[in-house]
Amino acid sequence: QQQVKQSPQSLIVQKGGIPIINCAYENTAFDYFPWYQQFPGKGPALLIAIRPDVSEKKEGRFTISFNKSAKQFSLHIMDSQPGDSATYFCAASTVNSGNTPLVFGKGTRLSVIA
Amino acid sequence: GAVVSQHPSRVICKSGTSVKIECRSLDFQATTMFWYRQFPKKSLMLMATSNEGSKATYEQGVEKDKFLINHASLTLSTLTVTSAHPEDSSFYICSASTSADTQYFGPGTRLTVL
Repeated sequence: QQQVKQSPQSLIVQKGGIPIINCAYENTAFDYFPWYQQFPGKGPALLIAIRPDVSEKKEGRFTISFNKSAKQFSLHIMDSQPGDSATYFCAASTVNSGNTPLVFGKGTRLSVIA
Repeated sequence: GAVVSQHPSRVICKSGTSVKIECRSLDFQATTMFWYRQFPKKSLMLMATSNEGSKATYEQGVEKDKFLINHASLTLSTLTVTSAHPEDSSFYICSASTSADTQYFGPGTRLTVL
Protein backbone atom coordinates (compact mmCIF):
# COMPACT_ATOMS: atom_id res chain seq x y z
CA GLN A 1 0.00 0.00 0.00
CA GLN A 2 1.51 3.25 -1.12
CA GLN A 3 1.23 5.82 1.64
CA VAL A 4 2.47 8.80 -0.35
CA LYS A 5 1.06 9.36 -3.83
CA GLN A 6 3.00 11.67 -6.10
CA SER A 7 1.97 13.23 -9.39
CA PRO A 8 2.66 13.80 -12.17
CA GLN A 9 5.06 11.03 -13.09
CA SER A 10 6.83 13.31 -15.54
CA LEU A 11 6.70 16.99 -16.36
CA ILE A 12 8.10 19.17 -19.11
CA VAL A 13 8.20 22.95 -18.74
CA GLN A 14 9.77 25.84 -20.56
CA LYS A 15 12.62 27.72 -18.96
CA GLY A 16 11.19 30.32 -16.59
CA GLY A 17 8.01 28.32 -16.02
CA ILE A 18 6.74 27.17 -12.64
CA PRO A 19 6.49 23.37 -12.41
CA ILE A 20 4.23 22.11 -9.67
CA ILE A 21 4.54 18.63 -8.21
CA ASN A 22 1.85 17.29 -5.93
CA CYS A 23 1.82 14.71 -3.18
CA ALA A 24 -0.96 13.25 -1.07
CA TYR A 25 -0.58 11.17 2.03
CA GLU A 26 -2.84 8.88 4.00
CA ASN A 27 -1.25 8.52 7.40
CA THR A 28 -2.38 11.39 9.63
CA ALA A 29 0.51 10.65 11.97
CA PHE A 30 3.00 11.98 9.41
CA ASP A 31 4.46 15.24 10.64
CA TYR A 32 7.53 15.85 8.50
CA PHE A 33 7.41 16.36 4.74
CA PRO A 34 10.69 16.81 2.82
CA TRP A 35 11.37 17.11 -0.87
CA TYR A 36 14.46 15.60 -2.45
CA GLN A 37 16.13 16.26 -5.80
CA GLN A 38 18.03 13.47 -7.51
CA PHE A 39 20.25 13.63 -10.56
CA PRO A 40 21.05 10.45 -12.52
CA GLY A 41 23.61 8.28 -10.77
CA LYS A 42 23.59 10.44 -7.63
CA GLY A 43 22.01 10.20 -4.23
CA PRO A 44 18.96 12.32 -3.35
CA ALA A 45 19.68 15.80 -2.00
CA LEU A 46 17.39 17.48 0.49
CA LEU A 47 15.77 20.55 -1.07
CA ILE A 48 13.28 21.80 1.44
CA ALA A 49 11.07 20.38 4.17
CA ILE A 50 7.98 21.43 6.06
CA ARG A 51 6.24 20.56 9.30
CA PRO A 52 2.41 20.65 9.51
CA ASP A 53 2.28 23.72 11.73
CA VAL A 54 2.79 26.01 8.71
CA SER A 55 1.01 26.18 5.37
CA GLU A 56 3.88 27.40 3.26
CA LYS A 57 7.66 27.47 3.31
CA LYS A 58 9.95 29.14 0.83
CA GLU A 59 13.67 28.67 0.30
CA GLY A 60 15.12 30.43 -2.69
CA ARG A 61 13.19 29.38 -5.79
CA PHE A 62 11.57 26.41 -4.05
CA THR A 63 8.26 26.67 -2.21
CA ILE A 64 6.28 24.02 -0.37
CA SER A 65 2.54 24.50 0.04
CA PHE A 66 0.93 22.34 2.69
CA ASN A 67 -2.78 21.60 3.18
CA LYS A 68 -3.24 19.62 6.36
CA SER A 69 -7.00 19.11 6.04
CA ALA A 70 -6.64 17.76 2.51
CA LYS A 71 -3.50 15.80 3.44
CA GLN A 72 -1.69 17.23 0.46
CA PHE A 73 1.52 19.12 -0.14
CA SER A 74 3.17 20.42 -3.24
CA LEU A 75 6.49 21.74 -4.53
CA HIS A 76 6.67 24.83 -6.72
CA ILE A 77 9.86 25.77 -8.54
CA MET A 78 9.96 29.44 -9.50
CA ASP A 79 11.80 30.62 -12.61
CA SER A 80 12.78 27.07 -13.52
CA GLN A 81 16.10 26.52 -15.27
CA PRO A 82 17.48 23.67 -17.40
CA GLY A 83 19.73 22.81 -14.44
CA ASP A 84 16.62 21.98 -12.44
CA SER A 85 16.00 19.00 -14.71
CA ALA A 86 16.07 16.05 -12.33
CA THR A 87 13.82 13.61 -10.53
CA TYR A 88 12.00 15.00 -7.51
CA PHE A 89 10.74 12.87 -4.66
CA CYS A 90 8.36 13.88 -1.92
CA ALA A 91 8.49 11.99 1.34
CA ALA A 92 6.87 11.82 4.73
CA SER A 93 7.69 10.49 8.14
CA THR A 94 6.62 10.58 11.75
CA VAL A 95 9.26 12.33 13.81
CA ASN A 96 7.47 13.18 17.01
CA SER A 97 7.35 9.53 17.98
CA GLY A 98 10.95 8.84 17.10
CA ASN A 99 13.29 8.65 14.14
CA THR A 100 11.17 6.72 11.65
CA PRO A 101 12.09 5.97 8.05
CA LEU A 102 10.93 8.21 5.25
CA VAL A 103 8.12 7.00 3.02
CA PHE A 104 8.81 8.17 -0.52
CA GLY A 105 6.55 9.01 -3.39
CA LYS A 106 7.32 7.40 -6.73
CA GLY A 107 9.07 10.45 -8.09
CA THR A 108 8.52 13.05 -10.79
CA ARG A 109 10.92 13.39 -13.66
CA LEU A 110 11.17 17.09 -14.51
CA SER A 111 12.59 18.39 -17.77
CA VAL A 112 13.11 22.11 -18.17
CA ILE A 113 13.69 23.03 -21.78
CA ALA A 114 15.33 26.21 -22.97
CA GLY B 1 27.90 20.48 6.69
CA ALA B 2 25.84 17.25 6.90
CA VAL B 3 27.90 15.31 4.37
CA VAL B 4 27.44 11.58 3.91
CA SER B 5 29.91 9.55 1.90
CA GLN B 6 29.72 6.08 0.46
CA HIS B 7 32.48 3.79 -0.66
CA PRO B 8 32.89 2.40 -3.20
CA SER B 9 30.89 4.47 -5.66
CA ARG B 10 30.86 1.64 -8.14
CA VAL B 11 31.68 -2.05 -7.85
CA ILE B 12 31.59 -4.97 -10.23
CA CYS B 13 31.88 -8.46 -8.81
CA LYS B 14 31.45 -12.06 -9.80
CA SER B 15 28.39 -14.05 -8.80
CA GLY B 16 28.88 -15.75 -5.44
CA THR B 17 31.23 -13.19 -3.96
CA SER B 18 30.47 -10.78 -1.12
CA VAL B 19 30.61 -7.03 -1.38
CA LYS B 20 30.88 -4.51 1.45
CA ILE B 21 29.59 -0.96 1.10
CA GLU B 22 30.54 1.70 3.64
CA CYS B 23 28.43 4.68 4.64
CA ARG B 24 30.04 7.47 6.66
CA SER B 25 28.70 10.68 8.14
CA LEU B 26 31.68 12.99 7.73
CA ASP B 27 30.82 15.98 9.87
CA PHE B 28 28.14 14.82 12.25
CA GLN B 29 27.22 11.89 14.43
CA ALA B 30 24.35 9.80 13.17
CA THR B 31 22.49 7.71 15.68
CA THR B 32 20.40 6.25 12.89
CA MET B 33 21.33 5.27 9.37
CA PHE B 34 19.05 3.89 6.69
CA TRP B 35 19.83 1.69 3.70
CA TYR B 36 17.85 1.95 0.48
CA ARG B 37 17.85 0.20 -2.82
CA GLN B 38 16.84 1.91 -6.05
CA PHE B 39 16.10 0.34 -9.41
CA PRO B 40 16.38 2.39 -12.61
CA LYS B 41 13.74 5.09 -12.87
CA LYS B 42 12.12 3.92 -9.65
CA SER B 43 11.74 5.31 -6.18
CA LEU B 44 13.87 4.43 -3.19
CA MET B 45 12.99 1.21 -1.41
CA LEU B 46 13.89 1.07 2.27
CA MET B 47 15.85 -2.06 3.12
CA ALA B 48 16.70 -1.56 6.77
CA THR B 49 17.07 0.89 9.62
CA SER B 50 20.33 0.79 11.53
CA ASN B 51 20.86 2.21 15.00
CA GLU B 52 24.34 2.52 16.43
CA GLY B 53 25.24 -0.38 18.67
CA SER B 54 22.13 -2.44 18.02
CA LYS B 55 20.81 -4.85 15.44
CA ALA B 56 19.35 -3.46 12.27
CA THR B 57 15.62 -3.56 11.66
CA TYR B 58 14.87 -5.04 8.25
CA GLU B 59 11.87 -4.30 6.10
CA GLN B 60 9.54 -7.10 5.11
CA GLY B 61 10.94 -9.15 2.27
CA VAL B 62 14.57 -8.14 2.85
CA GLU B 63 16.77 -11.12 3.75
CA LYS B 64 18.84 -10.19 6.79
CA ASP B 65 21.29 -13.04 6.18
CA LYS B 66 21.91 -11.81 2.66
CA PHE B 67 22.18 -8.11 3.44
CA LEU B 68 24.30 -7.83 6.56
CA ILE B 69 24.24 -4.42 8.22
CA ASN B 70 26.65 -3.28 10.89
CA HIS B 71 26.49 0.11 12.61
CA ALA B 72 29.58 0.00 14.78
CA SER B 73 29.98 3.70 15.43
CA LEU B 74 28.08 6.97 15.21
CA THR B 75 29.76 7.75 11.91
CA LEU B 76 29.95 4.43 10.12
CA SER B 77 27.49 1.83 8.89
CA THR B 78 28.27 -0.99 6.49
CA LEU B 79 26.11 -3.08 4.20
CA THR B 80 27.51 -6.42 3.07
CA VAL B 81 25.81 -8.18 0.20
CA THR B 82 26.69 -11.84 0.75
CA SER B 83 26.90 -14.39 -2.05
CA ALA B 84 25.84 -11.78 -4.56
CA HIS B 85 23.84 -12.76 -7.62
CA PRO B 86 22.93 -10.80 -10.75
CA GLU B 87 19.52 -9.94 -9.33
CA ASP B 88 21.28 -8.07 -6.53
CA SER B 89 22.62 -5.60 -9.08
CA SER B 90 21.20 -2.24 -8.12
CA PHE B 91 21.93 1.24 -6.82
CA TYR B 92 22.36 1.16 -3.04
CA ILE B 93 22.00 4.40 -1.10
CA CYS B 94 22.43 5.13 2.58
CA SER B 95 21.16 8.04 4.59
CA ALA B 96 22.02 9.37 8.02
CA SER B 97 20.03 11.40 10.49
CA THR B 98 21.36 14.36 12.42
CA SER B 99 18.22 14.68 14.49
CA ALA B 100 14.71 13.35 14.67
CA ASP B 101 13.75 14.48 11.21
CA THR B 102 16.39 15.47 8.68
CA GLN B 103 17.98 12.68 6.65
CA TYR B 104 21.01 13.28 4.47
CA PHE B 105 21.77 10.85 1.70
CA GLY B 106 25.03 9.46 0.45
CA PRO B 107 25.96 9.55 -3.25
CA GLY B 108 25.05 5.91 -3.75
CA THR B 109 26.91 2.76 -4.79
CA ARG B 110 26.29 1.10 -8.14
CA LEU B 111 26.63 -2.68 -7.74
CA THR B 112 26.89 -4.87 -10.79
CA VAL B 113 27.04 -8.62 -10.29
CA LEU B 114 28.22 -10.60 -13.29
